[in-house]
Amino acid sequence: DTGVSQDPRHKITKRGQNVTFRCDPISEHNRLYWYRQTLGQGPEFLTYFQNEAQLEKSRLLSDRFSAERPKGSFSTLEIQRTEQGDSAMYLCASSKGTSGGTDTQYFGPGTRLTVL
Amino acid sequence: KNEVEQSPQNLTAQEGEFITINCSYSVGISALHWLQQHPGGGIVSLFMLSSGKKKHGRLIATINIQEKHSSLHITASHPRDSAVYICAVRLVGGSQGNLIFGKGTKLSVKP
Repeated sequence: DTGVSQDPRHKITKRGQNVTFRCDPISEHNRLYWYRQTLGQGPEFLTYFQNEAQLEKSRLLSDRFSAERPKGSFSTLEIQRTEQGDSAMYLCASSKGTSGGTDTQYFGPGTRLTVL
Repeated sequence: KNEVEQSPQNLTAQEGEFITINCSYSVGISALHWLQQHPGGGIVSLFMLSSGKKKHGRLIATINIQEKHSSLHITASHPRDSAVYICAVRLVGGSQGNLIFGKGTKLSVKP
């Protein structure tokens, strides 16, 4: 399978615990994006990378959230001291990075986080 | 008010019907995306538009930049089309990474 993959697909944790999610983009894609989606809502942008550089972070990304893409390939999203409000589907997407508004993002299956 | 509004929120159709889902936005955009999300979360990009009309199989997407409106049409609908359809826009001069999403339209096609 050459699509975007995410691991784990589901994560249940207790409030206060730390969790880390991984995203493997399509291999030739240099842009990688993280989104969060709560029930009944559309996805919300969290952050994105151009290669290993984190170019933009949403105000939704509080101090408890950190994302990395150390070698410009896979990315991790860590949430520290989880809260019940963090329960959501965390989506990763990647794209080639073409300019002019023509860049298509390909989404992974998501990681569903439940904080008890 | 959300910058991207979709209508209807929920839509039930009989197999074979022609379906239209609407998206209106209140900001200047460089591109608009239509996405399909199946139960379980997987999202597939259907179209990316900056003007005019695109067609792929039974799906047609149109955009009117002056009216800030886009429509997604499904001809000869089928139960396998049942999914949430999401409209997303990229702002003019905005970050390449930052899409603004609508809340989605949940479509259910009955056999």
